[in-house]
Amino acid sequence: QVQLVQSGAEVKKPGASVKVSCKASEYPFTNYYVHWVRQAPGQGLEWMGIINPSGGTTTYAQKFQGRVTMTMDTSTSTVYMELSSLRSEDTAVYYCARAASSGNSYASVDYWGQGILVTVSS
Amino acid sequence: QTVVTQEPSLTVSPGGTVTLTCGSSTGAVTSGYFPNWFQQKPGQPPRALIYSATNRHSWTPARFSGSLLGGKAALTLSGVQPQDEAEYYCLLYYGGAWVFGGGTKLTVL
Repeated sequence: QVQLVQSGAEVKKPGASVKVSCKASEYPFTNYYVHWVRQAPGQGLEWMGIINPSGGTTTYAQKFQGRVTMTMDTSTSTVYMELSSLRSEDTAVYYCARAASSGNSYASVDYWGQGILVTVSS
Repeated sequence: QTVVTQEPSLTVSPGGTVTLTCGSSTGAVTSGYFPNWFQQKPGQPPRALIYSATNRHSWTPARFSGSLLGGKAALTLSGVQPQDEAEYYCLLYYGGAWVFGGGTKLTVL
């Protein structure tokens, strides 16, 4: 079945960068967008950006522009999200989620990764 | 800055019906916002329920229905069950970018 498997938890110091991954399986990788979403402890979901694995085009939330970079590797069906200049407020669970890029279910967000806890602490 | 508004909390009795709404600071929510709805329980990733305002995923129980109502996206739960107690989020599309609502904590009591 469709799976999005994310990399393991990270602990970073303020000012550092983190790069997390999301490996897709059991579906045509380039036919679906991938969203990145984060959730700070006890808070709601926050949309960070989206990447189209067919071509690599990205759109980032204004809040993260200049600090986030989303990339992909079609050979391994993996998308990456790198966040730089980390601060304590970036401590959160980071999720990837798949969204249809065409057809009757265009823009439907369906499968989610398990989430990655990124802790920023000195 | 675009704001997507949801009721912070709602309470419903088992077997009852409740409607959650999702509004936009930019005006009426239409199908062009591709409203998605998600359910999240503590310690779990969100689970997709509804897409394009009205469409259920294959795993979404029939008691969950989506609509566009009074300029907002709406999620209606009919015949609420205790396991429906959760946080519910909507997600709207703004021509490239997406924005989540703040979430509605649904209590079944």
